[in-house]
Amino acid sequence: SQELEQSPQSLIVQEGKNLTINCTSSKTLYGLYWYKQKYGEGLIFLMMLQKGGEEKSHEKITAKLDEKKQQSSLHITASQPSHAGIYLCGAVPYNNNDMRFGAGTRLTVKP
Amino acid sequence: GAVVSQHPSRVICKSGTSVKIECRSLDFQATTMFWYRQFPKQSLMLMATSNEGSKATYEQGVEKDKFLINHASLTLSTLTVTSAHPEDSSFYICSARLGPYEQYFGPGTRLTVT
Repeated sequence: SQELEQSPQSLIVQEGKNLTINCTSSKTLYGLYWYKQKYGEGLIFLMMLQKGGEEKSHEKITAKLDEKKQQSSLHITASQPSHAGIYLCGAVPYNNNDMRFGAGTRLTVKP
Repeated sequence: GAVVSQHPSRVICKSGTSVKIECRSLDFQATTMFWYRQFPKQSLMLMATSNEGSKATYEQGVEKDKFLINHASLTLSTLTVTSAHPEDSSFYICSARLGPYEQYFGPGTRLTVT
């Protein structure tokens, strides 16, 4: 089955600092998704990456997918308290059609 | 964008009773829907894949007789938790597949079994 390893599990940063969350797959991916979630609430779609080497940005969040389509990073620049939450990477592998998730990264931003 | 709704958003039921959760794709048809559950401080775990017009495919370790899934139409899938127990208390999220790369998630249903 698809395994996604996400790191770090938790992250505490001071407001204004940059941070990076990583997601690594054991298999090549159809698509790699990043979501944000506040526990007990639904998922907020952030970005989806499909092509090797692809990079997308939205406001202060940038996501990249490596050329082999097995590793992705999510980078937040000048973090704010509003960035706090759980970040999940999800992936659809080539030989399947359902989405599996990494364990999540719990981000705390201290004002 | 595509919208998926879930009903109810919260439900409290007594141990031994059954509860039904609905997942609807509001502005698109979905031949495939997925059901996930999430325990506190954990990630989403896929429970089953729901295909319209056929039996659901359950992940290993998920009891099909306990978690009944019915994909009655191209816009509706239901998850029924039968004979619920406190350990079934969890956050259940559905998603609907629009294309090979597109899945849209519902807002989730918090189930509490007392």
